[in-house]
Amino acid sequence: EAGVAQSPRYKIIEKRQSVAFWCNPISGHATLYWYQQILGQGPKLLIQFQNNGVVDDSQLPKDRFSAERLKGVDSTLKIQPAKLEDSAVYLCASSFKTGFTGELFFGEGSRLTVL
Amino acid sequence: SQQGEEDPQALSIQEGENATMNCSYKTSINNLQWYRQNSGRGLVHLILIRSNEREKHSGRLRVTLDTSKKSSSLLITASRAADTASYFCANVRGSYIPTFGRGTSLIVHP
Repeated sequence: EAGVAQSPRYKIIEKRQSVAFWCNPISGHATLYWYQQILGQGPKLLIQFQNNGVVDDSQLPKDRFSAERLKGVDSTLKIQPAKLEDSAVYLCASSFKTGFTGELFFGEGSRLTVL
Repeated sequence: SQQGEEDPQALSIQEGENATMNCSYKTSINNLQWYRQNSGRGLVHLILIRSNEREKHSGRLRVTLDTSKKSSSLLITASRAADTASYFCANVRGSYIPTFGRGTSLIVHP
């Protein structure tokens, strides 16, 4: 079974530039999450999708971050314009469905460095 | 914040010794999960314990849950150098969104 795919693995940009991250969840997983993990900290939820609808985006900085999950499969997370404090690893995770077990399957992450 | 807290933040042991990590949380939970993260990689699910369970085993892992104290512990027995990683607990409430703590960094010296 293929795991959660993310790209790019690494991205270096200057502040005020934009960046986009892509995620392809495990086939059949209805729920998709984007987490932000700053160095030395645990993952912090940015947004949760159930199929192509948003379940929770309360911690997404909507003035600069946006995410979409067209057709309920792949998802894209965009940051525009980036700030220095956005330097982090962006982790995508998926689960069979909300309320199943809560167990998440994570991708390898996309490491963003903002200079 | 509903974030849990792991203790200790860092743990350094010799191969063969046991490693114990603790996790505290603030609200009632549906279940609590432990994940492992190797350096530069994504998180991998290790074990899930439901709120009505007190202890669970999986191979060399033993997890306990005390809902009255809102705490959990992860014990890794007979640790190996390959167990070197960061370990996170995640509490899952009614919304079923796992909320992660800051993690425990475990180093196992060969």
